[in-house]
Amino acid sequence: QKEVEQDPGPLSVPEGAIVSLNCTYSNSAFQYFMWYRQYSRKGPELLMYTYSSGNKEDGRFTAQVDKSSKYISLFIRDSQPSDSATYLCAMSIGGATNKLIFGTGTLLAVQP
Amino acid sequence: ETGVTQSPTHLIKTRGQQVTLRCSSQSGHNTVSWYQQALGQGPQFIFQYYREEENGRGNFPPRFSGLQFPNYSSELNVNALELDDSALYLCASSPSRDRGSYGYTFGSGTRLTVV
Repeated sequence: QKEVEQDPGPLSVPEGAIVSLNCTYSNSAFQYFMWYRQYSRKGPELLMYTYSSGNKEDGRFTAQVDKSSKYISLFIRDSQPSDSATYLCAMSIGGATNKLIFGTGTLLAVQP
Repeated sequence: ETGVTQSPTHLIKTRGQQVTLRCSSQSGHNTVSWYQQALGQGPQFIFQYYREEENGRGNFPPRFSGLQFPNYSSELNVNALELDDSALYLCASSPSRDRGSYGYTFGSGTRLTVV
């Protein structure tokens, strides 16, 4: 079993829809939870970062972490065609090494 | 525009050969990590360097090695290339080891194809 599970999609939604992306994990030691966006032929770009449990909002993006269920989510409101990309969840225990454990990524297509 | 530059962008090598990939981090970024991203997969941690010393390694064999230089550049070396080494190799830098979990800036990667 992988430490981090993520549905690879693809996920196709119409412009303006609310998008929900999710990851589950097995390692209860994870403290840092991140969402990255990766466009084709580019490196991952950090979208949201949450420490421990709770919600965080930034513009059209909301990240939620439920440590009791080992479940994290990213919501995108009023989705735009420019949001079309692969979304990767990533987690870390923290400490000196700060190794990131990534999900497989979900490919999102927002149709105009 | 990312502050992390990787070269080359694409590379084709033959099985058994050796390859060196290069990364130039932002000035002041003393922590650099390398990740391997196979097609359709998330990035996997190879190793991390802090102030020119390796301080963490993932499940990769010793033929994967690295160097970090005082001028904030770094290298990933892979010996005895195998077909499964074909992947996108990503460099990520951070201004401090403590911010690594959320402070990494990734480069656009080097696409390595082993034939």
